[in-house]
Amino acid sequence: GAGVSQSPSNKVTEKGKDVELRCDPISGHTALYWYRQSLGQGLEFLIYFQGNSAPDKSGLPSDRFSAERTGGSVSTLTIQRTQQEDSAVYLCASSPYRGLVSPLHFGNGTRLTVT
Amino acid sequence: AQKVTQAQTEISVVEKEDVTLDCVYETRDTTYYLFWYKQPPSGELVFLIRRNSFDEQNEISGRYSWNFQKSTSSFNFTITASQVVDSAVYFCALMSNFGNEKLTFGTGTRLTIIP
Repeated sequence: GAGVSQSPSNKVTEKGKDVELRCDPISGHTALYWYRQSLGQGLEFLIYFQGNSAPDKSGLPSDRFSAERTGGSVSTLTIQRTQQEDSAVYLCASSPYRGLVSPLHFGNGTRLTVT
Repeated sequence: AQKVTQAQTEISVVEKEDVTLDCVYETRDTTYYLFWYKQPPSGELVFLIRRNSFDEQNEISGRYSWNFQKSTSSFNFTITASQVVDSAVYFCALMSNFGNEKLTFGTGTRLTIIP
């Protein structure tokens, strides 16, 4: 079956522009996660959705970052007024249940470069 | 607070050698899960194993084995008779029962198998 799909795979944008990153989770997966992987760093948790609600937004780095999920499926991560430090690979993952029960299935990520 | 430490940033071994990747974790929770993920050059994180805090039995899966020791808060990963296809970045991660569903990742160990 299809895995987690993320688009675009690569995005180059100018500083100050807004970007939208999309994640299509595995069908039927209720939990969805966004992580950020900066060069040489581990994975940094951004936000978690259970269905359409986000019980934990604690990882969002600033108010320029927001995310939504509609229909319990597709999620969009939006970064407003991008800065160079936003350059990273943004990874989406989904899980059929809450995290303790099932491992996360990751997409290939979106590589964001802010120039 | 939760923390995962992978002190080995990069490791290179010659093919067919055994190699152990270290992982040390910190958590105040008594119930938690530990994970290992593999990130090959393609970028997609691949789930390898999940262990819960109540099961300290070592696990073997083919050439892979894991040594979980609560006394030292370690969850080390050994690859026996390494192969070139094992070259990847390996991440250790922690999720606790009260950790609001987020995986805390280490910074990863880049493993290179030299043919």
